[in-house]
Amino acid sequence: DAKTTQPPSMDCAEGRAANLPCNHSTISGNEYVYWYRQIHSQGPQYIIHGLKNNETNEMASLIITEDRKSSTLILPHATLRDTAVYYCIVRPSLNTGNQFYFGTGTSLTVIP
Amino acid sequence: DTAVSQTPKYLVTQMGNDKSIKCEQNLGHDTMYWYKQDSKKFLKIMFSYNNKELIINETVPNRFSPKSPDKAHLNLHINSLELGDSAVYFCASSQFNRLSITGELFFGEGSRLTVL
Repeated sequence: DAKTTQPPSMDCAEGRAANLPCNHSTISGNEYVYWYRQIHSQGPQYIIHGLKNNETNEMASLIITEDRKSSTLILPHATLRDTAVYYCIVRPSLNTGNQFYFGTGTSLTVIP
Repeated sequence: DTAVSQTPKYLVTQMGNDKSIKCEQNLGHDTMYWYKQDSKKFLKIMFSYNNKELIINETVPNRFSPKSPDKAHLNLHINSLELGDSAVYFCASSQFNRLSITGELFFGEGSRLTVL
């Protein structure tokens, strides 16, 4: 039931910014964009979320286009430990069960 | 201190057996979940419990029976195991509020089930 489209894989040089795109062209007004990542063999980890405005925290920045149909997760200085599968998820703010539907994600490989 | 802990981490068993996976969270959250991640790495929600009450059941076979003795625990019992049940099962928790704009999930480390 994922409503997002992401490239299956990307590479990024260590120390450079990693820009991970996500298309969510059917997003509705009350739906938030969430990003999680899953490092190999671990449980998924929350990164960041946003509604309309760009957001930044200690892990990443989230840039949402004005029409909200796409977004980009930015890891400003990628390290080898950022190699993971990154999931972009849209979720309504008042849904009934707080469920997150994960798509296939983007497998990011940070290259030394 | 592990926030969401699952046991066992690995489980190998024969077809037809019954097995359980336990999950505990010490975050004080009121909602817990089970997700299944198959060999293709697709992560799919199975169940969600809020304050010990079932709120999501995503058309999972009734061989799978979750049990929540209290809001800090959500166990998963699987009867008559089949080959297709082989997967990694993740437990998660969150603080659910219908007006919440966060409610992010905290996941356990997963339980890898192999059915032979």
